[in-house]
Amino acid sequence: DAGVIQSPRHEVTEMGQEVTLRCKPISGHNSLFWYRQTMMRGLELLIYFNNNVPIDDSGMPEDRFSAKMPNASFSTLKIQPSEPRDSAVYFCASSFSGFIDSRLWTDTQYFGPGTRLTVL
Amino acid sequence: GESVGLHLPTLSVQEGDNSIINCAYSNSASDYFIWYKQESGKGPQFIIDIRSNMDKRQGQRVTVLLNKTVKHLSLQIAATQPGDSAVYFCAETTGTASKLTFGTGTRLQVTL
Repeated sequence: DAGVIQSPRHEVTEMGQEVTLRCKPISGHNSLFWYRQTMMRGLELLIYFNNNVPIDDSGMPEDRFSAKMPNASFSTLKIQPSEPRDSAVYFCASSFSGFIDSRLWTDTQYFGPGTRLTVL
Repeated sequence: GESVGLHLPTLSVQEGDNSIINCAYSNSASDYFIWYKQESGKGPQFIIDIRSNMDKRQGQRVTVLLNKTVKHLSLQIAATQPGDSAVYFCAETTGTASKLTFGTGTRLQVTL
């Protein structure tokens, strides 16, 4: 059973360029999460989707960052224009979420291998 | 969150010994807790979870203990092996929020 798939695994780009990171969640999962990990700030949640709909994007750093989930099996995180301070490892995670007594609960999140982004 | 790397607390144990990694959480409303293991160059890997209606849960060689009174979580690894060397994170959430809050990672070093 394939886990979360991310591409590319490594990306080196120059400041000002557009960067697109891709994620394929685990089949059957209906929630998808984008995280960023840095030495200084650890793991930070950027945005998460439930049933392809963005639920919380309060962690997105600024307007240069955008994320989409056009269908249940694909999501992108785009940075335009990129800056050196965006250099980090970006993780995608997926899980199954449902409602119990009108409350949304989320099962365990499973992480992909990450994309290491370097902006020169 | 704390940094992953130079300032990570480190636990060094000998192969075969038991390891105990501790985590304090701050949100008394958190009702779901997870331990993740992150090896170098990889994403966090699920180890074990526990819900707030339990105080102990066991897996294969791992046990998680939850003390809600003092908001403390621990991960016990029995007979630690070199392959257990990694950074371990605890994470908390309220089930409704779907947002994991990751704690300070602890680097586990297993010596031969």
